[in-house]
Amino acid sequence: DTAVSQTPKYLVTQMGNDKSIKCEQNLGHDTMYWYKQDSKKFLKIMFSYNNKELIINETVPNRFSPKSPDKAHLNLHINSLELGDSAVYFCASSPRAGGEEKLFFGSGTQLSVL
Amino acid sequence: KQEVTQIPAALSVPEGENLVLNCSFTDSAIYNLQWFRQDPGKGLTSLLLIQSSQREQTSGRLNASLDKSSGRSTLYIAASQPGDSATYLCAVEPSGGKLIFGQGTELSVKP
Repeated sequence: DTAVSQTPKYLVTQMGNDKSIKCEQNLGHDTMYWYKQDSKKFLKIMFSYNNKELIINETVPNRFSPKSPDKAHLNLHINSLELGDSAVYFCASSPRAGGEEKLFFGSGTQLSVL
Repeated sequence: KQEVTQIPAALSVPEGENLVLNCSFTDSAIYNLQWFRQDPGKGLTSLLLIQSSQREQTSGRLNASLDKSSGRSTLYIAASQPGDSATYLCAVEPSGGKLIFGQGTELSVKP
């Protein structure tokens, strides 16, 4: 009964491929996020959705396309993968966007682009 | 532009010591500040959240303080245990839903 679950945990792929990472939360939260953690462990927000609507888009290349079919799911599709996309991608959720709420994180997807 | 800095980058202490982790941020206009713990190969766990109007929060052996005017927060861990070994991340929320993270302090508690 994991609160925020993302799949796959590991993803190894060749440059130029297209891949997706899925995320689901069973906490009943309205807001979901994608964060990227680079090789230096620096975490940076990529996207945020509130009730299926995009509310934050942090200058991410348009090869990255998030999709939220409902408020419990936020998937990340990446086109034409590049070496620099190698990182750990974390999904997170919170009851609502901003101010008073803790974030709950998934366990991460380690993406390796060869 | 908001920047978050954590000092030290790494810390090794013997079991039983009390310790302090430091976090500083450049812009005091924040909604809240959170401290997270990250274990290797795992996600982040939120430890404490301090609202901008609060000065501190406590949970068990953990105490976090916030001084918005000086742009500083500390995480105090009492009577450290080997199980406390992890990376501790500080993050501020300057606007709704967006967290700005520091690069973390890697803590090792030796038995």
